[in-house]
Amino acid sequence: QKEVEQNSGPLSVPEGAIASLNCTYSDRGSQSFFWYRQYSGKSPELIMSIYSNGDKEDGRFTAQLNKASQYVSLLIRDSQPSDSATYLCAPDAYNTDKLIFGTGTRLQVFP
Amino acid sequence: EPEVTQTPSHQVTQMGQEVILRCVPISNHLYFYWYRQILGQKVEFLVSFYNNEISEKSEIFDDQFSVERPDGSNFTLKIRSTKLEDSAMYFCASSLQGQRQPQHFGDGTRLSIL
Repeated sequence: QKEVEQNSGPLSVPEGAIASLNCTYSDRGSQSFFWYRQYSGKSPELIMSIYSNGDKEDGRFTAQLNKASQYVSLLIRDSQPSDSATYLCAPDAYNTDKLIFGTGTRLQVFP
Repeated sequence: EPEVTQTPSHQVTQMGQEVILRCVPISNHLYFYWYRQILGQKVEFLVSFYNNEISEKSEIFDDQFSVERPDGSNFTLKIRSTKLEDSAMYFCASSLQGQRQPQHFGDGTRLSIL
C-alpha cells in the first residue's frame, strides 16, 4: 500500500512567521504533487501543484520537491491566522490520476 | 471562478437504504472522481470516471457502489444497502485532463447512516 506521511501537528507559529510543512511519500512513480488546505468540516482546497524537482513559488506559498528523497514540502511566508487549517499532501499514484492523501498537518497561527 | 457543486450537503439515511449523491463537475472538465473522508481520517480515493466509464476504482468501491453520468452535467454516486460504516463526507472532484492536472473538490455531502 502506497503511503504518504505527514506530521499531524499541531504546528504552532506566530503571525508573520514562516510555516514549514513536510511530506514524504513511498510511491517512486508519483509524478504530480499537490498541496490542499482543509478547514475543519470543509472540503480540500487546492493551493499548490508541483511536478518537477526544485522550488515553485506562488504568492506567500512555496512548494519544494525532491523526487530522489521522495520528499515534498510547503512553506508559508508571513503566516496569518486565516492560514490556520490542516494541510494535505497528495501525490498521484504511479501512472494514474488517483490522489493518495496524507493525514495532514494541522497548522495553528497565533496573533 | 467555476466550481464543483454537490447536493445534498447533508443526507441522513436508515441502514439498508439506498442513497444517491449528486455532483455537477466544472463544465469543461473531462475527468471525475469520488473520494470519501471518514471523520478524523484521511481522504480516500473511491473511483475515477472518464468518457462514460470507470477508469479506476479502489478496494472500497465494491458492488455496493456505482457511478453514473446520466446527462451532460451531473455525476452521481449511488450506494445500495447502506451500512453504518458508510457514514462519511463524500467529495466529488473534477479535473481538466486527468493525469498531471489538479483536481478541484466540491463542498462535499455529509452522509449519516442511522
